[in-house]
Amino acid sequence: DTAVSQTPKYLVTQMGNDKSIKCEQNLGHDTMYWYKQDSKKFLKIMFSYNNKELIINETVPNRFSPKSPDKAHLNLHINSLELGDSAVYFCASSPNLGNQPQHFGDGTRLSIL
Amino acid sequence: GDSVTQMEGPVTLSEEAFLTINCTYTATGYPSLFWYVQYPGEGLQLLLKATKADDKGSNKGFEATYRKETTSFHLEKGSVQVSDSAVYFCALRSNSGYSTLTFGKGTMLLVSP
Repeated sequence: DTAVSQTPKYLVTQMGNDKSIKCEQNLGHDTMYWYKQDSKKFLKIMFSYNNKELIINETVPNRFSPKSPDKAHLNLHINSLELGDSAVYFCASSPNLGNQPQHFGDGTRLSIL
Repeated sequence: GDSVTQMEGPVTLSEEAFLTINCTYTATGYPSLFWYVQYPGEGLQLLLKATKADDKGSNKGFEATYRKETTSFHLEKGSVQVSDSAVYFCALRSNSGYSTLTFGKGTMLLVSP
């Protein structure tokens, strides 16, 4: 069974549209994350949630709104998509806010036309 | 703030060659250090980790030693295989507060038969 699963795997859409990416983990972890990987493979944290509460928001535009309906899910909604949003978005989870390794999903490749 | 610097790639090797990918970091205190690997089209997987000075992480023939005095965590493998071709990320996680992973920019490794 997949530990951290994201859907969709690929998302192609036009500028100005609104889209969502879903993430689920079946590891029983308390903490979940969203990362953005740009075209040069650089990975940067966007958000961190612990027990459904927002812990870290790394100055991401407010067009990005994460939602955590329960500890196992952290969805990412993006309004008014822009060309610069094209990237691969990775969801991850860890047991808690401590120093344990994070488990990553396979990524969602978002392409803005 | 925390930062991780990796050698730029791609690193191109023949099968059975020795691999070193350099990684140095800047952080306050004593962070935990990680190497993640990303195979083509997949998410990141934890390769190895070290949580304190002089610890050696090892997995699948890869090794890295946490060197506090040189703030380094270089990745090594004695004999690479074609299947090792991937992007390798060095990362750190501070032990203070609500910290997340800070990644280096990744180093692509290409191994030819």
